[in-house]
Amino acid sequence: AQSVTQLGSHVSVSEGALVLLRCNYSSSVPPYLFWYVQYPNQGLQLLLKYTTGATLVKGINGFEAEFKKSETSFHLTKPSAHMSDAAEYFCAVILTDTGRRALTFGSGTRLQVQP
Amino acid sequence: DTEVTQTPKHLVMGMTNKKSLKCEQHMGHRAMYWYKQKAKKPPELMFVYSYEKLSINESVPSRFSPECPNSSLLNLHLHALQPEDSALYLCASSQQLAGSSYEQYFGPGTRLTVT
Repeated sequence: AQSVTQLGSHVSVSEGALVLLRCNYSSSVPPYLFWYVQYPNQGLQLLLKYTTGATLVKGINGFEAEFKKSETSFHLTKPSAHMSDAAEYFCAVILTDTGRRALTFGSGTRLQVQP
Repeated sequence: DTEVTQTPKHLVMGMTNKKSLKCEQHMGHRAMYWYKQKAKKPPELMFVYSYEKLSINESVPSRFSPECPNSSLLNLHLHALQPEDSALYLCASSQQLAGSSYEQYFGPGTRLTVT
């Protein structure tokens, strides 16, 4: 069973528009949740994470995400897209109801920003 | 300093060659990871070391041999690879084996081509 699902392999927005990248997880116990960004030919950079506490998490570069247990979701948003936001975005989880302490990544969403 | 370095940046090797990838971090992290990333795919976990001991081996073929000589260094020895092993190899580290606050920091990767 897929632990984390990203809806939409490609998302295109205009510069200045709202960015919404979707991530849903499947776990009986809320996992730890992460969003990473990968620019071409580079490694991954952590944007933000949720473990416990406040469900609205703010990250770097103006991104934020909200953990919604009832919807098993952790969608990534940014109010106003910038050309430099064009990249691949990965949602990832650590499943806390298993002994496995390693990241499982979603399939990724490529964000395009149109001028 | 939150940097993970990887060398070489690019590597081309024949199927009979023996080569090694190197990863280094000086953040005092005690968990280190190797991931393999094929084009347009998410990273896939290969190995995890915790306190210099192999903690997770994701059933990786024996032509890949990891080594953790000390807490700052992680190597991946390559021998008799196949063309399908061509990929971006990412190293990551975290304070300890991934947990609630122990986000992973990624290196830029080594782009491996097997001819």
